[in-house]
Amino acid sequence: DAGVTQSPTHLIKTRGQQVTLRCSPKSGHDTVSWYQQALGQGPQFIFQYYEEEERQRGNFPDRFSGHQFPNYSSELNVNALLLGDSALYLCASSLGPGYGSPLHFGNGTRLTVT
Amino acid sequence: KQEVTQIPAALSVPEGENLVLNCSFTDSAIYNLQWFRQDPGKGLTSLLLIQSSQREQTSGRLNASLDKSSGRSTLYIAASQPGDSATYLCAVHSGAGSYQLTFGKGTKLSVIP
Repeated sequence: DAGVTQSPTHLIKTRGQQVTLRCSPKSGHDTVSWYQQALGQGPQFIFQYYEEEERQRGNFPDRFSGHQFPNYSSELNVNALLLGDSALYLCASSLGPGYGSPLHFGNGTRLTVT
Repeated sequence: KQEVTQIPAALSVPEGENLVLNCSFTDSAIYNLQWFRQDPGKGLTSLLLIQSSQREQTSGRLNASLDKSSGRSTLYIAASQPGDSATYLCAVHSGAGSYQLTFGKGTKLSVIP
């Protein structure tokens, strides 16, 4: 039973560029959330997708956008990259968008912006 | 706005010792609380989930307690092993229309052989 898979594992980009990160949820899960984790910090919520729609968004600018596909996989897009966007980006999946089911996280994508 | 604090930020113990990690949150109106483990450069592994109506959950050598009214949770690790070395994160689901988890900064645990 495959868990949450994210690609790529590492990425180096230059300021001003755009990046797309990908996530496949755990088998049977239909909800995907994205988190940003800066070095030495706890993860910060970016947004959550359910039924191909953004259900909730954290305190992140519009440069951060996402998409969920009919097979429940998801993409996170970041435009006009800043040095401060360097972080570990974590995808989490769950069954349903509610509060009761535990989140399962992938191993993340390490983004470095130079 | 919910805030989660974890104390201590780092902890070093000899192998075999029992230990307690602390987590506090500012808004007691939570739906559930989850403890995670994170190895260096890796994702998060869920350890225990406690619903707001529960007082504790146990899994193997791990026991998590929740005192919602005082805004506190503890993670107890019995008979620590070097393989327990990792960062432990506490996160709360506030419910009430919010689907996000709010995380603490974590406690970095080192178990010395």
